[in-house]
Amino acid sequence: DTEVTQTPKHLVMGMTNKKSLKCEQHMGHRAMYWYKQKAKKPPELMFVYSYEKLSINESVPSRFSPECPNSSLLNLHLHALQPEDSALYLCASSQEPEPHSLEAFFGQGTRLTVV
Amino acid sequence: AQSVTQLDSQVPVFEEAPVELRCNYSSSVSVYLFWYVQYPNQGLQLLLKYLSGSTLVKGINGFEAEFNKSQTSFHLRKPSVHISDTAEYFCAVSDPPYGGATNKLIFGTGTLLAVQP
Repeated sequence: DTEVTQTPKHLVMGMTNKKSLKCEQHMGHRAMYWYKQKAKKPPELMFVYSYEKLSINESVPSRFSPECPNSSLLNLHLHALQPEDSALYLCASSQEPEPHSLEAFFGQGTRLTVV
Repeated sequence: AQSVTQLDSQVPVFEEAPVELRCNYSSSVSVYLFWYVQYPNQGLQLLLKYLSGSTLVKGINGFEAEFNKSQTSFHLRKPSVHISDTAEYFCAVSDPPYGGATNKLIFGTGTLLAVQP
């Protein structure tokens, strides 16, 4: 199984809503990532979890809150988002956060629309 | 910090023609380089990577890339493209180059390969 599964595939939420994005992998990978991708742009790193601990936070606003309940799961909790937060949110995992294992496997993403 | 430049935002090409997608990186030291492909409404898929060793790297779907340290380039090539190769292609570099606990990928702005019949 070389899949990273993201749910939901599409999400529409209001600016006062609270929602969560979920990501799951069963490859035994110990590093997991959240990326944000706007249309016609490259992915931008948001967070990195290494061995279930947050190792990188790319100065992401606090309305985005990541959580890694265990080594297979990664959540992104959303609260009080703005319309400009509408984007494709990609989850990825890699064997370990080291260069020789930096090959990242990406999920298909969650297309988020904030209204 | 590392950076990646993909000068061509879009490359139109006819089916069965060869193609080269250009990628230049900023570092003067050894780096780890990657090409990812993104089909419409999909996540990213690794095409190939260069970590060390042979400068000619072969990947999936008939793609290959050549690492050129003197020109700080990692151009992607395919001798004969298919309609199904139409997608966005991203070059990426690891940052910092030697890795570590805060290692991450830095992506270029992407090149849309548009294959026409």
